[in-house]
Amino acid sequence: DGGITQSPKYLFRKEGQNVTLSCEQNLNHDAMYWYRQDPGQGLRLIYYSQIVNDFQKGDIAEGYSVSREKKESFPLTVTSAQKNPTAFYLCASRRTNYGYTFGSGTRLTVV
Amino acid sequence: SQELEQSPQSLIVQEGKNLTINCTSSKTLYGLYWYKQKYGEGLIFLMMLQKGGEEKSHEKITAKLDEKKQQSSLHITASQPSHAGIYLCGADWGSNYKLTFGKGTLLTVNP
Repeated sequence: DGGITQSPKYLFRKEGQNVTLSCEQNLNHDAMYWYRQDPGQGLRLIYYSQIVNDFQKGDIAEGYSVSREKKESFPLTVTSAQKNPTAFYLCASRRTNYGYTFGSGTRLTVV
Repeated sequence: SQELEQSPQSLIVQEGKNLTINCTSSKTLYGLYWYKQKYGEGLIFLMMLQKGGEEKSHEKITAKLDEKKQQSSLHITASQPSHAGIYLCGADWGSNYKLTFGKGTLLTVNP
């Protein structure tokens, strides 16, 4: 079955460390997205990519970086510059004129 | 200010009761999406509305988009404990295919 796979499900980061969250899709969707979810704040867009080798900043891109070298993959790196990284991270993909499909999420905790 | 307002923030109903969740946009929508989320999990796509006056139903859930395409409602008939979760509306205003979310409605259904 086609879908989006996010890994790991849980991730722990030490202060000052960079960590990378994986997002892979086999839906052949062109566009991919990263969202951050905090309690009471809904989902906020971090980065998105409409085609391979191109991506744009969302509303809260500071402290994050992405790459889009393959259509199937859109990894998100949470850098040490992100001062409050503890959150639930969701990856999504979209086929033009259709709905967005979401992964099951990665919960990142700073220890 | 928030471009997409969802109400109520939380809702507690008795099993078997009907309920409505509203989503209001500050500008005309291109597409309106409804999702359901269990805590700590990914988003499950419910429905997408694009045309003014459009109404869609799936099992006991009906979603409507008003003629002006600025307000949507999600109605659940004869609620069940399985309907419990967070309901999120997402809006696409047609620019760069970015999906913006409301803050969500937490639904509790008491048996």
